[in-house]
Amino acid sequence: DVKVTQSSRYLVKRTGEKVFLECVQDMDHENMFWYRQDPGLGLRLIYFSYDVKMKEKGDIPEGYSVSREKKERFSLILESASTNQTSMYLCASRPFSGGQQETQYFGPGTRLLVL
Amino acid sequence: AQSVAQPEDQVNVAEGNPLTVKCTYSVSGNPYLFWYVQYPNRGLQFLLKYITGDNLVKGSYGFEAEFNKSQTSFHLKKPSALVSDSALYFCAVVGYNFNKFYFGSGTKLNVKP
Repeated sequence: DVKVTQSSRYLVKRTGEKVFLECVQDMDHENMFWYRQDPGLGLRLIYFSYDVKMKEKGDIPEGYSVSREKKERFSLILESASTNQTSMYLCASRPFSGGQQETQYFGPGTRLLVL
Repeated sequence: AQSVAQPEDQVNVAEGNPLTVKCTYSVSGNPYLFWYVQYPNRGLQFLLKYITGDNLVKGSYGFEAEFNKSQTSFHLKKPSALVSDSALYFCAVVGYNFNKFYFGSGTKLNVKP
């Protein structure tokens, strides 16, 4: 079974802090994704990566950056946390080989509260 | 432009009754459609997908979905709902950039005993 893990289930941070959210997958997937989930808005793509050191902006990249130094690990960084970044953050991975047919595999999520 | 709409924020159904969760899509080219379920404080779990072929797709936990090209719909169905089916359901379509999934806003399913 594919396993996607996220470093924290719950985080509480203060406005202005730098926040790191870590995601690790164990299936050698090329593609990894960060989403935020807010009620009524579904999932919105922040960034994705299709290879080590490669990244592309998603729909809402402002205020976020990412790092992918190793294939299995994809980090989301909030440079200076703000209260409007309080949300549920979901990481996902997906193999390249299956093309459009492949599903994404999701981690359990990190619920971030910025005070 | 690629998009997915889930017109109902919430669906209420009694246990044992059939359920339908609606999804319509807009996509350039062939649609690749997915349904996911999210239980409280959990990530999304894959339920089923439509790629090509049979319009009725069977998936996990007794769920199935009907693809209708003329109505651009991909509704999720189950013949007999269980209380344990209560969760948040998301429909998604894969865009022409096959890395990018477009998710609906989600439908909360409440199954009452």
